Amino acid sequence: AQTVTQSQPEMSVQEAETVTLSCTYDTSESDYYLFWYKQPPSRQMILVIRQEAYKQQNATENRFSVNFQKAAKSFSLKISDSQLGDAAMYFCAPSSGTYKYIFGTGTRLKVLA
Amino acid sequence: AAGVIQSPRHLIKEKRETATLKCYPIPRHDTVYWYQQGPGQDPQFLISFYEKMQSDKGSIPDRFSAQQFSDYHSELNMSSLELGDSALYFCASSPEGAYEQYFGPGTRLTVT
Repeated sequence: AQTVTQSQPEMSVQEAETVTLSCTYDTSESDYYLFWYKQPPSRQMILVIRQEAYKQQNATENRFSVNFQKAAKSFSLKISDSQLGDAAMYFCAPSSGTYKYIFGTGTRLKVLA
Repeated sequence: AAGVIQSPRHLIKEKRETATLKCYPIPRHDTVYWYQQGPGQDPQFLISFYEKMQSDKGSIPDRFSAQQFSDYHSELNMSSLELGDSALYFCASSPEGAYEQYFGPGTRLTVT
């Protein structure tokens, strides 16, 4: 069974600074995807970034990038030039097999003005 | 662009009542997932459907049932409601073979 660990329940970052959220997972699958979702106070689940496990190149979406270490089963999210609108819960979620998501417990990100 | 539609957005029920949550996936998406997110919790997978057949099942209570209809919309039926069923229920959809899921806004169920 898949397990996902987000070891940082809460993180704070100064506006315009950079922050990294960590995620480790365990899976026996060889083919899978990894996702980071953001959940602001509205509770909407918003896709931030995706990574295909067979790709060695780390995914990047504007200010968001990942550090994917497949052997270590680590999938961290880096947010550059943090903005007040980045404040939210962030969930890491691998997907494989029947495609369902197994979410981590989340990291609450606070952005300080 | 069309998004996943969930109705109702808010629902208040009493203990032992029944509730039905509806989900309308993005057009041409044939897979639907249901998740339950309790207060302060991460979303938990309940059940999924592909082409109107159940494709996977998670920690869904026996009091809950779901199905996907010919137009691909899905309904989650919840009976004998308990206080612990109070949660945000998400529906997500995806096209065939895709790992990425698109989430609806959720239905907030409150059981009193």
